[in-house]
Amino acid sequence: DTAVSQTPKYLVTQMGNDKSIKCEQNLGHDTMYWYKQDSKKFLKIMFSYNNKELIINETVPNRFSPKSPDKAHLNLHINSLELGDSAVYFCASSITGGFSDTQYFGPGTRLTVL
Amino acid sequence: GIQVEQSPPDLILQEGANSTLRCNFSDSVNNLQWFHQNPWGQLINLFYIPSGTKQNGRLSATTVATERYSLLYISSSQTTDSGVYFCAVSPGSARQLTFGSGTQLTVLP
Repeated sequence: DTAVSQTPKYLVTQMGNDKSIKCEQNLGHDTMYWYKQDSKKFLKIMFSYNNKELIINETVPNRFSPKSPDKAHLNLHINSLELGDSAVYFCASSITGGFSDTQYFGPGTRLTVL
Repeated sequence: GIQVEQSPPDLILQEGANSTLRCNFSDSVNNLQWFHQNPWGQLINLFYIPSGTKQNGRLSATTVATERYSLLYISSSQTTDSGVYFCAVSPGSARQLTFGSGTQLTVLP
């Protein structure tokens, strides 16, 4: 009964590879997010989707492409991975117009690029 | 964009002590959340508190929106309280959260 889940939890890969991270939420929320946490634990928004539409796209390289097949899923695909992409990626979700705007976070995916 | 400053950056306590963590923000907000990131990396919601005061067990939080700050109180700290505490806000009509740099709390037995 996990609220926000991510797969995989750990991802180790070589520079230049393409990889995807999947996120699913079973909270019935309509907005989902991707955040990146760097080695100094600083968290920053990357993307946000509302009802499968992109509403926020911060300054992120074009190699990162989010895809939302439905309201419950938001995947992150990364092309041509670079050393600087090593980080922990968190998915989150919230609901528009609800009692509160609380965002719920997944467990994170630790990406290591060698 | 909005600036979020947290203090202190590091805090070491003896078990049983009380502490106050502060979050200052530079603009009006529609969302303010406190998170605890445990040693396993999980971000756990503590409070959704854009204004007012809330309590949950040994933890409580107060946000004074007009003065643009929020406080997180931890009483009778336990070793399991160790980790990083983040304050995160959304300004105006924005939905995305802007995080502070966190307070690293270490509670010693």
